[in-house]
Amino acid sequence: KNEVEQSPQNLTAQEGEFITINCSYSVGISALHWLQQHPGGGIVSLFMLSSGKKKHGRLIATINIQEKHSSLHITASHPRDSAVYICAVTIGNQFYFGTGTSLTVIP
Amino acid sequence: NAGVTQTPKFRILKIGQSMTLQCTQDMNHNYMYWYRQDPGMGLKLIYYSVGAGITDKGEVPNGYNVSRSTTEDFPLRLELAAPSQTSVYFCASTVNWGGGASYEQYFGPGTRLTVT
Repeated sequence: KNEVEQSPQNLTAQEGEFITINCSYSVGISALHWLQQHPGGGIVSLFMLSSGKKKHGRLIATINIQEKHSSLHITASHPRDSAVYICAVTIGNQFYFGTGTSLTVIP
Repeated sequence: NAGVTQTPKFRILKIGQSMTLQCTQDMNHNYMYWYRQDPGMGLKLIYYSVGAGITDKGEVPNGYNVSRSTTEDFPLRLELAAPSQTSVYFCASTVNWGGGASYEQYFGPGTRLTVT
């Protein structure tokens, strides 16, 4: 059983569209992370959340602790946003990862 | 800072061979992790360390060993390589000031390993 579920698995959008990726988890967590993995394979951390909402440029991440749910939003999407977006949670000393959402933004 | 570095970037092993994947971080992070990533699957934890001299198993430790003699280095040893160990391996680190690993994780560039 995976502690972290993401949806959708794949997403194709036109440039400029508003995008939402969802993440649900099943147990109590210390924090939730959104990561980005580019086609070259490198993984970078976008956000770490334990409550509320964070914004960085065109990216917004929210978390609802009671509902055990988080969303990653991308406003005014651009082809350079094409990547795999991964949700992860920390439970104790360990990280648990979703399988990722593959996003393709078409010009 | 170089961040988290991994060597090698690519490696092909024959069944039964052994090798060590190197991981070094220069951020003075106390927590370090080894993951494997298989196609269509999330990252799976192999081993982790909360400080020099301390290691612990993750979800998929069989066939691997680790050591942590310094804060900076966390090598992963594969003994008797098997085709099931074909994967991309990522090393990561984070800092912990108490309350579990709740801080941003920094990843190395990955090692693509093929066992044939």
